[in-house]
Amino acid sequence: AQSVTQLDSQVPVFEEAPVELRCNYSSSVSVYLFWYVQYPNQGLQLLLKYLSGSTLVESINGFEAEFNKSQTSFHLRKPSVHISDTAEYFCAVSRTGGGADGLTFGKGTHLIIQP
Amino acid sequence: AAGVIQSPRHLIKEKRETATLKCYPIPRHDTVYWYQQGPGQDPQFLISFYEKMQSDKGSIPDRFSAQQFSDYHSELNMSSLELGDSALYFCASSLGMRNEQFFGPGTRLTVL
Repeated sequence: AQSVTQLDSQVPVFEEAPVELRCNYSSSVSVYLFWYVQYPNQGLQLLLKYLSGSTLVESINGFEAEFNKSQTSFHLRKPSVHISDTAEYFCAVSRTGGGADGLTFGKGTHLIIQP
Repeated sequence: AAGVIQSPRHLIKEKRETATLKCYPIPRHDTVYWYQQGPGQDPQFLISFYEKMQSDKGSIPDRFSAQQFSDYHSELNMSSLELGDSALYFCASSLGMRNEQFFGPGTRLTVL
């Protein structure tokens, strides 16, 4: 079984400041890693994913995450946030060798951008 | 681009009633997943189907059942509804197993 820990339930940050949302996972097997974003009253949108290859993955809107196998982490970072980044961010994992496995999500981090 | 369609978007039921939620995957997607997200909670995986066969099972109560039909749409049937079933139910679809899951907008179920 897998588990995901998001250490911060809320992260307030000023606009244009950098931010890091932390994610650690636990698994006895290899996993894929994901970050999803959920805006109020909306569904989940994939922000970025790590499947294999380069441990640093980037999204089109300036977010990046780095897979660290030794620390079992997949922290999300952005060098300069905008008001529009206010949302709930979920880290998730799934097995690499399974079938249509469901995602295991962390509890989420609410990113609050202050003007 | 076409997205995952869920219906209805909102549903209000009484305790002990039944509910059916429908999910229409992105065209050509053959894999469907169901998740439940309680208020202020993370999404919990319920069940998945690949090519109309159940593939993985999560924390789905025995009162719930689901299936995937020949046109790949899926239905989640919920019986003997309880207050605790009030949640947002998401469907996701993917092209093949172990590929990116695209989420629908969700169905908000309220049990009174």
